[in-house]
Amino acid sequence: AQSVSQHNHHVILSEAASLELGCNYSYGGTVNLFWYVQYPGQHLQLLLKYFSGDPLVKGIKGFEAEFIKSKFSFNLRKPSVQWSDTAEYFCAVNAGYGNNRLAFGKGNQVVVIP
Amino acid sequence: DGGITQSPKYLFRKEGQNVTLSCEQNLNHDAMYWYRQDPGQGLRLIYYSQIVNDFQKGDIAEGYSVSREKKESFPLTVTSAQKNPTAFYLCASNKETTSNQPQHFGDGTRLSIL
Repeated sequence: AQSVSQHNHHVILSEAASLELGCNYSYGGTVNLFWYVQYPGQHLQLLLKYFSGDPLVKGIKGFEAEFIKSKFSFNLRKPSVQWSDTAEYFCAVNAGYGNNRLAFGKGNQVVVIP
Repeated sequence: DGGITQSPKYLFRKEGQNVTLSCEQNLNHDAMYWYRQDPGQGLRLIYYSQIVNDFQKGDIAEGYSVSREKKESFPLTVTSAQKNPTAFYLCASNKETTSNQPQHFGDGTRLSIL
């Protein structure tokens, strides 16, 4: 089974600080990568995705992620967070299943203090 | 609006009872998925279905059962054999034409044992 690692489960930071969440996966072949976000009381929604091409992908709400194949990583970044970015963030990988099945990381609970 | 509807939002079960969680989608998606979300554990795949009348076990299928008699419906039954059923259950769907289709999620059902 694929494994996806997200470290620092709880992240607390102040508004305007920069955010970087790490994501590492275990599969060595072709991968499709996703970041999902779950705002309090809302359903999971797609933040951004990488399939091929430019390894730096931009998503909604000013988020971006960089795919580094040699490091098996897909880290999420935002230069300046807002209170409304308080949410749980999940990295997900589709790799080697032959279908759309995803393996999720354990998530990062991010709290932004006004 | 197209989307995924999960019902009920909250569900209480007595020990020894089976309960069925509903998931309906009107997105004309081929594949549907059931996940269990526990604090600090991320999303773990219970069952998934790529086509009507077919489904596969995910990583934690024991104590659960599913059916896929219609394209738009994928109910999950939590049986009495599931020893720790208290959790948040999420249903998702996507197009199964390629392996890079993001999954869309419902609002979830929170199951508690009385």
